[in-house]
Amino acid sequence: DTGVSQDPRHKITKRGQNVTFRCDPISEHNRLYWYRQTLGQGPEFLTYFQNEAQLEKSRLLSDRFSAERPKGSFSTLEIQRTEQGDSAMYLCASSFLAGGPVFEQYFGPGTRLTVT
Amino acid sequence: AQSVSQHNHHVILSEAASLELGCNYSYGGTVNLFWYVQYPGQHLQLLLKYFSGDPLVKGIKGFEAEFIKSKFSFNLRKPSVQWSDTAEYFCAVPGGNYGQNFVFGPGTRLSVLP
Repeated sequence: DTGVSQDPRHKITKRGQNVTFRCDPISEHNRLYWYRQTLGQGPEFLTYFQNEAQLEKSRLLSDRFSAERPKGSFSTLEIQRTEQGDSAMYLCASSFLAGGPVFEQYFGPGTRLTVT
Repeated sequence: AQSVSQHNHHVILSEAASLELGCNYSYGGTVNLFWYVQYPGQHLQLLLKYFSGDPLVKGIKGFEAEFIKSKFSFNLRKPSVQWSDTAEYFCAVPGGNYGQNFVFGPGTRLSVLP
């Protein structure tokens, strides 16, 4: 399967713990995006990378959140000192930038985080 | 700021009924519009997109959408739904500071009864 993959698919953690999620984009895609989706809502943008550069961060991305894409391939999203409000589905997407407006993004299956 | 509204939260139809899901957007830049679908237990996938040209756009699985600029709308349609169309449908527009990510609507859940 050459789609976007995410690991783990499910994560249950206790409040105050740190968690890290991984995303592997489609190999030839140079753009990688993170979104968060809560029940009954559409995905909300968190941040995106072009190659290894983080180009934009949403105000939703508090100081407890950090994302990296060190070699321009896979990316990690870390949440420190988790809170119950962090419980959500975390989606990763990738696309190929050829200039111009945003193109189709290919989404992964998501990581469902539950903070108890 | 960019925003997307979807009028219907949950739509229930019988098989063979016609479908129209509403989407209205607020966006000041070049209009690019998207519909994504999320089948139960599956990831989001692109249904169709509009960049320019013919305002009537055809997508996969018999879906189409019409861009009406004067109404800021991009409604999704299908003449005859099937049970397999049961899913969540999201309308999206470019967002962020540079129009390089998506702003999604809240979604419409479609339930098709066999």
